[in-house]
Amino acid sequence: GAVVSQHPSWVICKSGTSVKIECRSLDFQATTMFWYRQFPKQSLMLMATSNEGSKATYEQGVEKDKFLINHASLTLSTLTVTSAHPEDSSFYICSAQQTSRNQPQHFGDGTRLSIL
Amino acid sequence: GQNIDQPTEMTATEGAIVQINCTYQTSGFNGLFWYQQHAGEAPTFLSYNVLDGLEEKGRFSSFLSRSKGYSYLLLKELQMKDSASYLCAGYSGAGSYQLTFGKGTKLSVIP
Repeated sequence: GAVVSQHPSWVICKSGTSVKIECRSLDFQATTMFWYRQFPKQSLMLMATSNEGSKATYEQGVEKDKFLINHASLTLSTLTVTSAHPEDSSFYICSAQQTSRNQPQHFGDGTRLSIL
Repeated sequence: GQNIDQPTEMTATEGAIVQINCTYQTSGFNGLFWYQQHAGEAPTFLSYNVLDGLEEKGRFSSFLSRSKGYSYLLLKELQMKDSASYLCAGYSGAGSYQLTFGKGTKLSVIP
């Protein structure tokens, strides 16, 4: 089955640090990848849609200059949280969409980010 | 976009059958997904329905009625490990690849 790898799984760092999270589709090409954020006991919130070779589309209220997304190839998208602060601590999850809408989005294992 | 509703919490007994319902608005509909999410983990894909009827996959089945804007996930022979949140999701609009997720139903399986 389709596999999405997300790295790292856990990050603990000081306030002001920039953190980069990678999302890779291992056995299929993903023209579209999505980045979600989930706070404890809350539902998944879509942050942005990442399209290969073009700029990401951000959801309302998500700062594009703070959450930098790069989708340089059909198998890799990265999310960089710049100058992270404690309020950015959350569970970040990526997903990748195969080319057919009849195929499900497959999720990475998520990255738990803790900013001290 | 979609407006997806599902119950917040459910409790069921080990070995029993439980049905988790989901309703959605029908405009721009093109399929309904079910995902399972254990606490602290990412969602995993369970099923996808685009046509009316029942899709069975082992202990899990999913049903869809497009005319009623209604789906359910049926879990049989419940096991303790089935305790998780179950997310209903549909595409955000015609031609869109974005999914709109329901808030999830937290299922607790008790002995």
